[in-house]
Amino acid sequence: NAGVTQTPKFRILKIGQSMTLQCTQDMNHNYMYWYRQDPGMGLKLIYYSVGAGITDKGEVPNGYNVSRSTTEDFPLRLELAAPSQTSVYFCASSYDTGPPSAFGDGTRLSIL
Amino acid sequence: RKEVEQDPGPFNVPEGATVAFNCTYSNSASQSFFWYRQDCRKEPKLLMSVYSSGNEDGRFTAQLNRASQYISLLIRDSKLSDSATYLCVVRGNNDMRFGAGTRLTVKP
Repeated sequence: NAGVTQTPKFRILKIGQSMTLQCTQDMNHNYMYWYRQDPGMGLKLIYYSVGAGITDKGEVPNGYNVSRSTTEDFPLRLELAAPSQTSVYFCASSYDTGPPSAFGDGTRLSIL
Repeated sequence: RKEVEQDPGPFNVPEGATVAFNCTYSNSASQSFFWYRQDCRKEPKLLMSVYSSGNEDGRFTAQLNRASQYISLLIRDSKLSDSATYLCVVRGNNDMRFGAGTRLTVKP
């Protein structure tokens, strides 16, 4: 019963490097979300997707890209890492327009 | 004005106390509302939805006031295990917006 799986759990990047945060869910959920959470703050929506082939920007999309080629996978790409992107990243999913019912464990990303 | 604003924390209460959190939202077209709890260094977990008529789930009561654009969460008979950060979530068209959270510590 995997739910939402995020990898990696931790990562340290140098400024200017790129990486992809992986997210996969096995619940056949249509909606998927990427959030970032800075210390002491709530979650800010980066990108979301309402189904395979469809993605939309959230509150803070700059510096990120996503794709949704399958229902299961929703990777988040950082092209040129910047210190401001140091955060905890959460991937979440929901079956329809209901609230995200499943979250991944989070990816703690530091950019130095 | 932030889209979703919550009571600043932290709230420190003794076991057995009743505590309430408020959350205001700016988008009058918001469609649905939720409360999540988040334990330290963990992912958020859905606590309850908030319905127009108000709803209860055990010791937890959620209410919505559309006219004043706020939702509330009341916790009765607080337990030590209720210590967490409570996040208010508001749904717009297709996205979900989270508040910054209110931290609750229940002490013996």
